[in-house]
Amino acid sequence: DSGVTQTPKHLITATGQRVTLRCSPRSGDLSVYWYQQSLDQGLQFLIQYYNGEERAKGNILERFSAQQFPDLHSELNLSSLELGDSALYFCASSRDRGRNNEQFFGPGTRLTVL
Amino acid sequence: AQSVTQLDSQVPVFEEAPVELRCNYSSSVSVYLFWYVQYPNQGLQLLLKYLSGSTLVKGINGFEAEFNKSQTSFHLRKPSVHISDTAEYFCAVSPNNNAGNMLTFGGGTRLMVKP
Repeated sequence: DSGVTQTPKHLITATGQRVTLRCSPRSGDLSVYWYQQSLDQGLQFLIQYYNGEERAKGNILERFSAQQFPDLHSELNLSSLELGDSALYFCASSRDRGRNNEQFFGPGTRLTVL
Repeated sequence: AQSVTQLDSQVPVFEEAPVELRCNYSSSVSVYLFWYVQYPNQGLQLLLKYLSGSTLVKGINGFEAEFNKSQTSFHLRKPSVHISDTAEYFCAVSPNNNAGNMLTFGGGTRLMVKP
């Protein structure tokens, strides 16, 4: 158990819908990262937050957005869902934004878009 | 920008045999290097990391990796595998600068240990 929790574990929805994925980092960790794992794209970095502020952005679609709240939990919002958004979404956290901080991964949320 | 190539998508091996999982990377800046393991229906767990210093890095579960700067490689090895090592292994890099800690992953190698 990494100490990072993600809810829900599974999510099934339809095209065009909007969903919210939630992540609680390990106690004391200030940085949160979101990654997408899909069969065709592999594991891709989406976005990083540090202490409530966006720190780095990767291949995140404009239909996707994220935020980190004062209690440091984070939410990833996916809207206008398409079939190709079906994937495993991982959250990871690290102690701070130091360059060599180990990232601890949650168990993931499996999103299926029908 | 960085990229990571894992040359083998699947590696079948018999129990107690040695194994090497290959990883090559490309980057315009210096990087930190990582190996993660993903067991079925679980998240990723860090096996080992190279930040600086000795190029031979030892990790958990008897794994080790060697950083070769001239060949831009970071191959993972284990002298004797167990059935429980069956999993997906990911090589990853993170830029050694102030651009954030994001990890760039390779495509993964599925290690299949047979009895």
